[in-house]
Amino acid sequence: GAGVSQSPSNKVTEKGKDVELRCDPISGHTALYWYRQRLGQGLEFLIYFQGNSAPDKSGLPSDRFSAERTGESVSTLTIQRTQQEDSAVYLCASSREYNNEQFFGPGTRLTVL
Amino acid sequence: RKEVEQDPGPFNVPEGATVAFNCTYSNSASQSFFWYRQDCRKEPKLLMSVYSSGNEDGRFTAQLNRASQYISLLIRDSKLSDSATYLCVVNTGTASKLTFGTGTRLQVTL
Repeated sequence: GAGVSQSPSNKVTEKGKDVELRCDPISGHTALYWYRQRLGQGLEFLIYFQGNSAPDKSGLPSDRFSAERTGESVSTLTIQRTQQEDSAVYLCASSREYNNEQFFGPGTRLTVL
Repeated sequence: RKEVEQDPGPFNVPEGATVAFNCTYSNSASQSFFWYRQDCRKEPKLLMSVYSSGNEDGRFTAQLNRASQYISLLIRDSKLSDSATYLCVVNTGTASKLTFGTGTRLQVTL
């Protein structure tokens, strides 16, 4: 079956603009996770969803970052007023249940000029 | 102390060698442990879960030492295709997420 998909694969934007990143998890996976990975760095947890609820938003770096999930499926990560330090690969993962094996999407590479 | 710590490497080994990585974790209540593999500019992929009794998958063996709070990954008969970054992943107990280590880079050479 289809894996986790993310769009766009690459996004170049100007400082101060808003961006939306999309994640389509594996069908039937109840848990969905967003991570950020800066060049040469490890994965940084941002937020996770159980169903459409986000019990843990502790990793969101600032109030410019928000995320939602609808229909226990698609999730959107929104970054408002982007800054250059937001440049990174944003990875989405899903799992059948919370803390089961996570399957990752290919990521969205965000570049803020 | 970081929740999950790994030696970043790189580990440079010749083909056919045996190599081992360790990873330490700080939360004694951690319950789930995994090794993921990440190729350059690719997403992480699950290599194997780590079970209390230790487990093996072909050339790969994972061990858990709860008393010392570390997990290990042993790769036997290294192949060029094993070159990647290996991420240690831990469910940090009461925290509601998996925590990824920063990874150990392995380079297998001819």
